[in-house]
Amino acid sequence: KAGVTQTPRYLIKTRGQQVTLSCSPISGHRSVSWYQQTPGQGLQFLFEYFSETQRNKGNFPGRFSGRQFSNSRSEMNVSTLELGDSALYLCASSLMVSGTGTQYFGPGTRLTVL
Amino acid sequence: DQQVKQNSPSLSVQEGRISILNCDYTNSMFDYFLWYKKYPAEGPTFLISISSIKDKNEDGRFTVFLNKSAKHLSLHIVPSQPGDSAVYFCAASMVTASNTGKLIFGQGTTLQVKP
Repeated sequence: KAGVTQTPRYLIKTRGQQVTLSCSPISGHRSVSWYQQTPGQGLQFLFEYFSETQRNKGNFPGRFSGRQFSNSRSEMNVSTLELGDSALYLCASSLMVSGTGTQYFGPGTRLTVL
Repeated sequence: DQQVKQNSPSLSVQEGRISILNCDYTNSMFDYFLWYKKYPAEGPTFLISISSIKDKNEDGRFTVFLNKSAKHLSLHIVPSQPGDSAVYFCAASMVTASNTGKLIFGQGTTLQVKP
């Protein structure tokens, strides 16, 4: 099976702009979670989607949003970019219905905000 | 509040020896724990997991031990190989409706295996 794919892999934006990141989960996986990785904060949970519904959300401002499509692909949007949004954004997919499913990660999108 | 902690930022071991990576947690509601390995510019790769109803799980060179009373888990790699050099993350999750799909990660431990 193909793994989790994320596009684009690298992105450079300027402050105030908005950005959309895309994630295609492993075939058959219906849960998609997003994480932000920064050197200072480690891996922080953003949100999770299952069957097109957001099931859980981390402690991030409303500028961070997402959605999931009927084919389980997911997008994440960040509006009004700030310098501090520069990070590696990781998407993970899982078969799970409950919280015990192993999550499989994509390679990430490296976002740089100038 | 750091619910999952990896207190050792780095660890260096000789090839062929045992690597022991440690992780502590504070929330007794966690019921599933995972270890991931991460190389630079790549996403984390799943290594091994353990349910809270077990105290040990083994997969090849990797063994995870869970001590619920101490809220502590460890990953043993035997024998260590240079290709194991990476950042290792411990993660935890809860089986409640409000926490589905959410992994809480430690800060990571950088393992260096010297030839």
